[in-house]
Amino acid sequence: GGIITQTPKFLIGQEGQKLTLKCQQNFNHDTMYWYRQDSGKGLRLIYYSITENDLQKGDLSEGYDASREKKSSFSLTVTSAQKNEMAVFLCASSISWGSSAETLYFGSGTRLTVL
Amino acid sequence: GEQVEQLPSSLIVQEGASVLINCSYTDSASVYFPWYKQEPGKRLQFIIDIRSNMERKQNQRLTLLFDKKTKHLSLHITATQPGDSAIYFCSPNMGYKLTFGTGTSLLVDP
Repeated sequence: GGIITQTPKFLIGQEGQKLTLKCQQNFNHDTMYWYRQDSGKGLRLIYYSITENDLQKGDLSEGYDASREKKSSFSLTVTSAQKNEMAVFLCASSISWGSSAETLYFGSGTRLTVL
Repeated sequence: GEQVEQLPSSLIVQEGASVLINCSYTDSASVYFPWYKQEPGKRLQFIIDIRSNMERKQNQRLTLLFDKKTKHLSLHITATQPGDSAIYFCSPNMGYKLTFGTGTSLLVDP
Protein backbone atom coordinates (compact mmCIF):
# COMPACT_ATOMS: atom_id res chain seq x y z
CA GLY A 1 0.00 0.00 0.00
CA GLY A 2 0.91 3.59 -0.39
CA ILE A 3 1.46 6.35 2.08
CA ILE A 4 1.31 10.11 2.31
CA THR A 5 4.17 11.73 4.21
CA GLN A 6 3.92 15.26 5.52
CA THR A 7 6.90 17.22 6.79
CA PRO A 8 7.46 18.65 9.25
CA LYS A 9 5.02 17.20 11.81
CA PHE A 10 5.28 20.37 13.90
CA LEU A 11 6.12 23.80 12.55
CA ILE A 12 6.74 26.83 14.72
CA GLY A 13 7.13 30.22 13.14
CA GLN A 14 7.10 33.90 13.92
CA GLU A 15 4.27 36.19 12.94
CA GLY A 16 4.89 37.50 9.43
CA GLN A 17 7.26 34.68 8.52
CA LYS A 18 6.99 32.70 5.29
CA LEU A 19 6.62 28.99 6.04
CA THR A 20 6.53 25.95 3.79
CA LEU A 21 4.82 22.63 4.38
CA LYS A 22 5.66 19.59 2.26
CA CYS A 23 3.72 16.51 1.20
CA GLN A 24 4.82 13.39 -0.67
CA GLN A 25 2.65 10.49 -1.88
CA ASN A 26 3.64 7.17 -3.43
CA PHE A 27 0.16 6.08 -4.51
CA ASN A 28 0.82 7.50 -7.99
CA HIS A 29 -2.41 9.48 -7.56
CA ASP A 30 -3.17 12.30 -9.97
CA THR A 31 -4.90 14.67 -7.55
CA MET A 32 -3.57 16.16 -4.35
CA TYR A 33 -5.18 18.48 -1.78
CA TRP A 34 -4.30 20.75 1.11
CA TYR A 35 -6.89 21.14 3.88
CA ARG A 36 -6.84 23.16 7.04
CA GLN A 37 -8.39 21.60 10.13
CA ASP A 38 -9.53 23.92 12.90
CA SER A 39 -11.26 22.60 15.97
CA GLY A 40 -15.03 22.70 15.51
CA LYS A 41 -14.82 23.81 11.89
CA GLY A 42 -14.16 20.61 10.02
CA LEU A 43 -11.83 20.59 7.06
CA ARG A 44 -11.57 23.52 4.69
CA LEU A 45 -9.93 23.27 1.30
CA ILE A 46 -6.98 25.57 0.69
CA TYR A 47 -5.60 24.38 -2.65
CA TYR A 48 -5.84 21.34 -4.84
CA SER A 49 -3.98 20.08 -7.88
CA ILE A 50 -5.60 17.88 -10.49
CA THR A 51 -2.30 16.82 -12.00
CA GLU A 52 1.37 17.78 -12.10
CA ASN A 53 1.88 21.55 -12.53
CA ASP A 54 -1.84 22.25 -12.05
CA LEU A 55 -3.06 24.45 -9.20
CA GLN A 56 -6.65 25.24 -8.20
CA LYS A 57 -7.75 27.55 -5.39
CA GLY A 58 -10.03 26.25 -2.71
CA ASP A 59 -12.30 28.19 -0.35
CA LEU A 60 -9.45 29.30 1.91
CA SER A 61 -6.60 30.12 -0.48
CA GLU A 62 -5.97 33.72 0.57
CA GLY A 63 -2.64 33.97 2.38
CA TYR A 64 -1.34 30.71 0.89
CA ASP A 65 0.58 29.60 -2.19
CA ALA A 66 1.00 26.07 -3.47
CA SER A 67 3.34 24.25 -5.81
CA ARG A 68 3.04 20.90 -7.63
CA GLU A 69 6.25 20.45 -9.58
CA LYS A 70 6.15 16.65 -9.48
CA LYS A 71 3.25 14.22 -9.50
CA SER A 72 4.34 12.82 -6.16
CA SER A 73 4.76 16.07 -4.25
CA PHE A 74 2.61 19.04 -3.30
CA SER A 75 3.86 21.87 -1.13
CA LEU A 76 1.98 24.65 0.65
CA THR A 77 3.46 28.01 1.61
CA VAL A 78 2.01 30.28 4.26
CA THR A 79 3.03 33.61 2.79
CA SER A 80 2.91 35.62 6.04
CA ALA A 81 2.07 33.59 9.14
CA GLN A 82 -0.61 35.01 11.41
CA LYS A 83 -1.54 33.96 14.93
CA ASN A 84 -5.12 33.22 13.90
CA GLU A 85 -4.04 30.52 11.48
CA MET A 86 -2.63 28.12 14.00
CA ALA A 87 -4.18 24.85 12.93
CA VAL A 88 -3.44 21.39 11.59
CA PHE A 89 -2.75 21.26 7.87
CA LEU A 90 -3.69 18.04 6.14
CA CYS A 91 -2.47 16.82 2.78
CA ALA A 92 -4.53 14.28 0.85
CA SER A 93 -4.54 12.55 -2.50
CA SER A 94 -7.05 10.76 -4.71
CA ILE A 95 -6.74 8.63 -7.83
CA SER A 96 -8.25 11.30 -10.05
CA TRP A 97 -10.62 14.25 -9.90
CA GLY A 98 -14.19 14.86 -10.88
CA SER A 99 -15.36 11.25 -11.00
CA SER A 100 -18.06 11.74 -8.33
CA ALA A 101 -16.55 8.84 -6.43
CA GLU A 102 -13.27 10.07 -5.07
CA THR A 103 -12.01 8.63 -1.82
CA LEU A 104 -9.25 10.64 -0.21
CA TYR A 105 -6.11 9.29 1.44
CA PHE A 106 -4.68 11.56 4.11
CA GLY A 107 -1.33 12.36 5.61
CA SER A 108 -0.91 12.63 9.37
CA GLY A 109 -0.78 16.41 9.32
CA THR A 110 1.47 19.36 10.14
CA ARG A 111 0.58 21.31 13.26
CA LEU A 112 1.38 24.98 12.84
CA THR A 113 2.10 27.25 15.80
CA VAL A 114 2.68 30.96 15.28
CA LEU A 115 4.45 32.91 18.02
CA GLY B 1 -21.80 26.74 -1.76
CA GLU B 2 -22.50 23.43 -0.11
CA GLN B 3 -23.25 23.62 3.61
CA VAL B 4 -22.77 20.48 5.67
CA GLU B 5 -23.95 20.13 9.23
CA GLN B 6 -23.27 17.22 11.54
CA LEU B 7 -25.14 16.53 14.73
CA PRO B 8 -24.39 15.96 17.45
CA SER B 9 -21.04 17.72 17.59
CA SER B 10 -19.93 15.35 20.34
CA LEU B 11 -21.22 12.41 22.34
CA ILE B 12 -20.09 10.04 25.04
CA VAL B 13 -21.45 6.50 25.31
CA GLN B 14 -20.75 3.35 27.28
CA GLU B 15 -19.04 0.49 25.48
CA GLY B 16 -21.61 -1.72 23.78
CA ALA B 17 -24.11 1.06 23.13
CA SER B 18 -25.30 2.11 19.67
CA VAL B 19 -24.84 5.61 18.31
CA LEU B 20 -26.36 7.64 15.53
CA ILE B 21 -24.48 10.45 13.78
CA ASN B 22 -26.48 12.74 11.51
CA CYS B 23 -25.31 14.69 8.49
CA SER B 24 -27.34 17.22 6.52
CA TYR B 25 -26.25 18.91 3.33
CA THR B 26 -27.75 21.57 1.07
CA ASP B 27 -26.60 20.99 -2.50
CA SER B 28 -28.68 18.44 -4.43
CA ALA B 29 -25.77 18.05 -6.90
CA SER B 30 -23.89 15.95 -4.34
CA VAL B 31 -23.96 12.33 -5.49
CA TYR B 32 -21.38 10.47 -3.45
CA PHE B 33 -20.99 10.47 0.32
CA PRO B 34 -17.85 8.98 1.86
CA TRP B 35 -17.35 9.08 5.61
CA TYR B 36 -14.00 9.36 7.35
CA LYS B 37 -12.81 8.59 10.84
CA GLN B 38 -9.99 10.36 12.69
CA GLU B 39 -8.76 8.52 15.77
CA PRO B 40 -6.73 10.54 18.29
CA GLY B 41 -3.26 11.19 16.91
CA LYS B 42 -3.95 9.29 13.69
CA ARG B 43 -4.69 10.28 10.13
CA LEU B 44 -8.19 10.49 8.68
CA GLN B 45 -9.24 7.27 7.03
CA PHE B 46 -12.15 6.26 4.87
CA ILE B 47 -14.68 3.99 6.61
CA ILE B 48 -17.83 3.72 4.50
CA ASP B 49 -19.57 5.40 1.57
CA ILE B 50 -22.91 5.55 -0.19
CA ARG B 51 -24.07 6.81 -3.56
CA SER B 52 -27.17 8.89 -4.18
CA ASN B 53 -28.95 6.00 -5.93
CA MET B 54 -28.85 3.92 -2.74
CA GLU B 55 -30.77 4.17 0.52
CA ARG B 56 -28.76 1.92 2.78
CA LYS B 57 -25.31 0.41 3.04
CA GLN B 58 -23.85 -1.79 5.74
CA ASN B 59 -20.28 -2.69 6.57
CA GLN B 60 -20.05 -4.87 9.69
CA ARG B 61 -21.08 -2.66 12.63
CA LEU B 62 -21.56 0.42 10.46
CA THR B 63 -24.82 1.18 8.66
CA LEU B 64 -25.27 4.25 6.51
CA LEU B 65 -28.76 5.49 5.68
CA PHE B 66 -29.42 8.07 2.98
CA ASP B 67 -32.53 10.14 2.29
CA LYS B 68 -32.16 12.02 -0.97
CA LYS B 69 -35.39 13.95 -0.50
CA THR B 70 -34.42 15.47 2.81
CA LYS B 71 -30.68 15.60 1.97
CA HIS B 72 -29.88 13.72 5.12
CA LEU B 73 -27.55 10.88 6.08
CA SER B 74 -27.25 8.87 9.28
CA LEU B 75 -24.31 6.75 10.36
CA HIS B 76 -25.33 4.05 12.80
CA ILE B 77 -22.62 2.31 14.81
CA THR B 78 -23.67 -0.73 16.84
CA ALA B 79 -21.89 -2.48 19.70
CA THR B 80 -19.43 0.37 20.14
CA GLN B 81 -15.87 -0.34 21.29
CA PRO B 82 -13.19 1.97 22.70
CA GLY B 83 -11.51 1.81 19.29
CA ASP B 84 -14.52 3.60 17.83
CA SER B 85 -13.54 6.72 19.77
CA ALA B 86 -12.74 9.24 17.05
CA ILE B 87 -14.02 12.22 15.13
CA TYR B 88 -16.33 11.22 12.28
CA PHE B 89 -16.72 13.35 9.15
CA CYS B 90 -19.23 13.10 6.33
CA SER B 91 -18.08 14.46 2.98
CA PRO B 92 -20.67 15.22 0.28
CA ASN B 93 -19.04 14.99 -3.14
CA MET B 94 -20.45 16.43 -6.34
CA GLY B 95 -17.58 15.37 -8.53
CA TYR B 96 -15.87 18.69 -8.94
CA LYS B 97 -16.12 19.70 -5.30
CA LEU B 98 -15.65 17.87 -2.03
CA THR B 99 -16.97 19.34 1.20
CA PHE B 100 -16.49 18.14 4.75
CA GLY B 101 -18.86 18.38 7.66
CA THR B 102 -17.80 19.92 10.95
CA GLY B 103 -17.27 16.51 12.51
CA THR B 104 -18.79 14.49 15.35
CA SER B 105 -16.53 13.58 18.23
CA LEU B 106 -17.39 10.17 19.72
CA LEU B 107 -15.96 8.93 23.00
CA VAL B 108 -16.66 5.33 24.00
CA ASP B 109 -16.16 4.67 27.70
CA PRO B 110 -14.92 1.14 28.47
